[in-house]
Amino acid sequence: AQSVSQHNHHVILSEAASLELGCNYSYGGTVNLFWYVQYPGQHLQLLLKYFSGDPLVKGIKGFEAEFIKSKFSFNLRKPSVQWSDTAEYFCAVIWGGGADGLTFGKGTHLIIQP
Amino acid sequence: DAGVIQSPRHEVTEMGQEVTLRCKPISGHNSLFWYRQTMMRGLELLIYFNNNVPIDDSGMPEDRFSAKMPNASFSTLKIQPSEPRDSAVYFCASSLDRNYEQYFGPGTRLTVT
Repeated sequence: AQSVSQHNHHVILSEAASLELGCNYSYGGTVNLFWYVQYPGQHLQLLLKYFSGDPLVKGIKGFEAEFIKSKFSFNLRKPSVQWSDTAEYFCAVIWGGGADGLTFGKGTHLIIQP
Repeated sequence: DAGVIQSPRHEVTEMGQEVTLRCKPISGHNSLFWYRQTMMRGLELLIYFNNNVPIDDSGMPEDRFSAKMPNASFSTLKIQPSEPRDSAVYFCASSLDRNYEQYFGPGTRLTVT
């Protein structure tokens, strides 16, 4: 079955630290990849997406992600986090033509300490 | 565009009552999704529609749950009868098509006592 794994369920960092959140998906083929963020008490918002082309994707708020096909990975990075980045981060994948919709990872709860 | 609109934002009801959640997708979007989010199970896809037709309802927990999309601008998720374990935040999302990014509504926080 198709699945998305996020390795870190909880991450605690200090402000200005660098961030990398891992995301792996179960198998290859054509994929569309996404990272969503959910701030406390709010709905999910799209951070960035990858459909094709340059595997290094830049999103909003200084986030970026790199698609490594050989590793089935799409890790999220930010060079210097801020307190306002405290949120839940979800990796999500659509396989093929999207017949099965979007599959989400379990999420990573990120806490940034001032 | 106003984005995805959901109502009500909060619903508190007693066990056994019928609950209806409503969603208006972004105009021009062909796909609509209903999700449920809880601390225990995370984000779960309940059902999704493509061009108003239900495509995959394998995530619907049981027969107490039903969803309809009578036209391109409106969908409902109904729970009848409701139970305390249905307490969760229910999100509606829409996308241009099912393989594109989804835009989420603000959610309905349901509490069943």
